[in-house]
Amino acid sequence: SSELTQDPAVSVALGQTVRITCQGDSLRSYYASWYQQKPGQAPVLVIYGKNNRPSGIPDRFSGSSSGNTASLTITGAQAEDEADYYCNSRDSSGNHHVVFGGGTKLTVL
Amino acid sequence: EVQLVESGGGLVQPGGSLRLSCAASGFTFSSYEMNWVRQAPGKGLEWVSYISSSGSTIYYADSVKGRFTISRDNAKNSLYLQMNSLRAEDTAVYYCARSETVPAFDIWGQGTMVTVSS
Repeated sequence: SSELTQDPAVSVALGQTVRITCQGDSLRSYYASWYQQKPGQAPVLVIYGKNNRPSGIPDRFSGSSSGNTASLTITGAQAEDEADYYCNSRDSSGNHHVVFGGGTKLTVL
Repeated sequence: EVQLVESGGGLVQPGGSLRLSCAASGFTFSSYEMNWVRQAPGKGLEWVSYISSSGSTIYYADSVKGRFTISRDNAKNSLYLQMNSLRAEDTAVYYCARSETVPAFDIWGQGTMVTVSS
């Protein structure tokens, strides 16, 4: 099955821009979705498709993709953005499975 | 309010069985694909299983195939996960998650904890 690779940890200064990446062969064929998870809470979808935000997600969150890499960008990071972020996509092996990245812990300094 | 509420978690011995339920409300359950996703303590998210809106198409992660069974009852707005031959590595919080377009899981339940231990 496919794998999605994320950096374990990233930090950003308050108000600055940060990019969180997700790499995997499946991303050459399928879009990634991105989830935010705070301690003790369920994940929340923040980006899906080419660059779509569900209702209620601030527009400082955006998504992009190039080759085998998908990116989640937070423009003007806020303290409340400190969380774990996960990407997922379809498995590229044709088995209709879904794969998640290992997650990135975002610290807002 | 759109909501998913899981139940049925608990402590079970290795080799035992457990049935999880997920009650949906606030949306037309029968129109949506559903999934189970789990998260072991301190670890990342792992997709477990998928079921189409009608229940006619089902997929499982290799780690649970042959041991877990996903099902749904659209008349009762409910999703289920029957877990048999449980192992210690199945210990996790289990979430049900709605998907309009896989793999975008747009609504998640609060999760139910399953602990497999003797």
